[in-house]
Amino acid sequence: SQQGEEDPQALSIQEGENATMNCSYKTSINNLQWYRQNSGRGLVHLILIRSNEREKHSGRLRVTLDTSKKSSSLLITASRAADTASYFCATDATGAQKLVFGQGTRLTINP
Amino acid sequence: GAGVSQSPSNKVTEKGKDVELRCDPISGHTALYWYRQSLGQGLEFLIYFQGNSAPDKSGLPSDRFSAERTGGSVSTLTIQRTQQEDSAVYLCASSLESGSPLHFGNGTRLTVT
Repeated sequence: SQQGEEDPQALSIQEGENATMNCSYKTSINNLQWYRQNSGRGLVHLILIRSNEREKHSGRLRVTLDTSKKSSSLLITASRAADTASYFCATDATGAQKLVFGQGTRLTINP
Repeated sequence: GAGVSQSPSNKVTEKGKDVELRCDPISGHTALYWYRQSLGQGLEFLIYFQGNSAPDKSGLPSDRFSAERTGGSVSTLTIQRTQQEDSAVYLCASSLESGSPLHFGNGTRLTVT
């Protein structure tokens, strides 16, 4: 089974609102990454947070990591129509090198 | 090149035929991954190459699937005796080193008829 699981599977909000997506994982990790995918093709890296970090910001993105709960959240503030995409979390488990992705959250921003 | 390049972008093949998918990673990237994605689903890990180490093949779904990476650069994913359930988008990604952000190609959409 996948290491990471996103929640919710789908999210639809109005432009300008904030969007929050969650990711849970099963084993201890080295780091956690978030990616965006448009049109079912290549993914684009958004942000990486290491296991010893608790929060990270990049523009309108805010990522938190709670290693005690084995969970992370991605917050997109002041959403725009262009943020419509699927968002995936990915983890590399401690002792392993491969990066494993979750099932993703499909985000729709309504104008 | 500026990014990860995959070819072909689309491939339609008949059930039972063999196919080869190619990935040109970013120059200097030591890590290379192959993933498979079915419509509306997440990414399924297939195989991972890191430098000269033995590849992690733990995600290959059957012995019909194989991959190689020649000279630490170009990689080829081969599917023998294709089945309809092999239909998916096959994504390749590379990174500077293990644990670094991945750079993805645009994928190869494989359709087995």
